[in-house]
Amino acid sequence: DTAVSQTPKYLVTQMGNDKSIKCEQNLGHDTMYWYKQDSKKFLKIMFSYNNKELIINETVPNRFSPKSPDKAHLNLHINSLELGDSAVYFCASRGTGGTGGYTFGSGTRLTVV
Amino acid sequence: AQSVSQHNHHVILSEAASLELGCNYSYGGTVNLFWYVQYPGQHLQLLLKYFSGDPLVKGIKGFEAEFIKSKFSFNLRKPSVQWSDTAEYFCAVIGNNNDMRFGAGTRLTVKP
Repeated sequence: DTAVSQTPKYLVTQMGNDKSIKCEQNLGHDTMYWYKQDSKKFLKIMFSYNNKELIINETVPNRFSPKSPDKAHLNLHINSLELGDSAVYFCASRGTGGTGGYTFGSGTRLTVV
Repeated sequence: AQSVSQHNHHVILSEAASLELGCNYSYGGTVNLFWYVQYPGQHLQLLLKYFSGDPLVKGIKGFEAEFIKSKFSFNLRKPSVQWSDTAEYFCAVIGNNNDMRFGAGTRLTVKP
């Protein structure tokens, strides 16, 4: 069983479209994250959710909005997609205690054309 | 400001050479340290982690890292690299806010 699963794995879309990336974890973890990895491989934290509350919102455009219907899911909605949004987006989860490290999903490669 | 620095952007080695990748952090208080590897086109995989205790940490695939608190460093080492070690390597830190921050990554190319 995949611990952290993301769908879709690849997403190609046109500028201006609205798209969503889904993330689900079956680890019973309390906190979930979204990271963006740009073309230079730099990983930047975007959001985290703990018990359905947003606890980080880095300086990302408000076109990006996380949605967490329950503790096991954290979806990423992106409105009015731009070329610069092209990247690999990773979902991750972390259990309580903080020292367990993160479990990452396999990533979603988003290409905006 | 809290940060994680990886000094080497791209390292090129021949097979059997020894490897050391630098990682420094600037966090106050207790930190948990990690090294992740990302093979081409794949997701992040945990190589090793340090929480407390012995500062020399053994990981998978023959990798190890040493936590030197006085230098705020957590360098990754491997005595003899293989072609299959070609990948991107990320140092990461969890500080007091429990959020994981990554360094910029080091690309390792191992020539056969």
